[in-house]
Amino acid sequence: KAGVTQTPRYLIKTRGQQVTLSCSPISGHRSVSWYQQTPGQGLQFLFEYFSETQRNKGNFPGRFSGRQFSNSRSEMNVSTLELGDSALYLCASSPGGTGNQPQHFGDGTRLSIL
Amino acid sequence: QQQVKQSPQSLIVQKGGIPIINCAYENTAFDYFPWYQQFPGKGPALLIAIRPDVSEKKEGRFTISFNKSAKQFSLHIMDSQPGDSATYFCAASSLQDDKIIFGKGTRLHILP
Repeated sequence: KAGVTQTPRYLIKTRGQQVTLSCSPISGHRSVSWYQQTPGQGLQFLFEYFSETQRNKGNFPGRFSGRQFSNSRSEMNVSTLELGDSALYLCASSPGGTGNQPQHFGDGTRLSIL
Repeated sequence: QQQVKQSPQSLIVQKGGIPIINCAYENTAFDYFPWYQQFPGKGPALLIAIRPDVSEKKEGRFTISFNKSAKQFSLHIMDSQPGDSATYFCAASSLQDDKIIFGKGTRLHILP
């Protein structure tokens, strides 16, 4: 079974631009969650999608948004990029949700803001 | 109430030693406590998980000890090897909230 695939692996953008990251979950998994990982803050939850609906949201500004398609693939968008958005963005999938279920992570997209 | 506090931030242990990483939580609704292992350039991978109805769980060289009354749980790595050098995250979640909260991670280095 293929694992969680995230594209692209690396991305360099400048302040003010916007970016879209993509995540393909494990086949059959309907829940996709997104996390921001930085050395100082660790893994911070962004949002979770299940069957194309956002079920949970972390404490991030509205510049961070996402969506999920009918095939469970998900995209995350960040608009008006700031220097502080430089981070590793991870997505994780699970069969039914984030509570009480193992999360299967992709290897992330490393976003650098110049 | 949603925090999971993890310590230490970093740990250096000689090969064969037993590194111990500790986590504490406040929310008594948490009922699933996984540990994730992350190597450089890779995403976290589930290592072992425990539910509060047991006090200990072993999988190979990895053991979770769970103290429900103290709201603490810890990871022990027996006979540690240089290949165990990685960052370890504890986490807690509940079916009720359907959210998972991660600790800030422990960078473990096993000396050969």
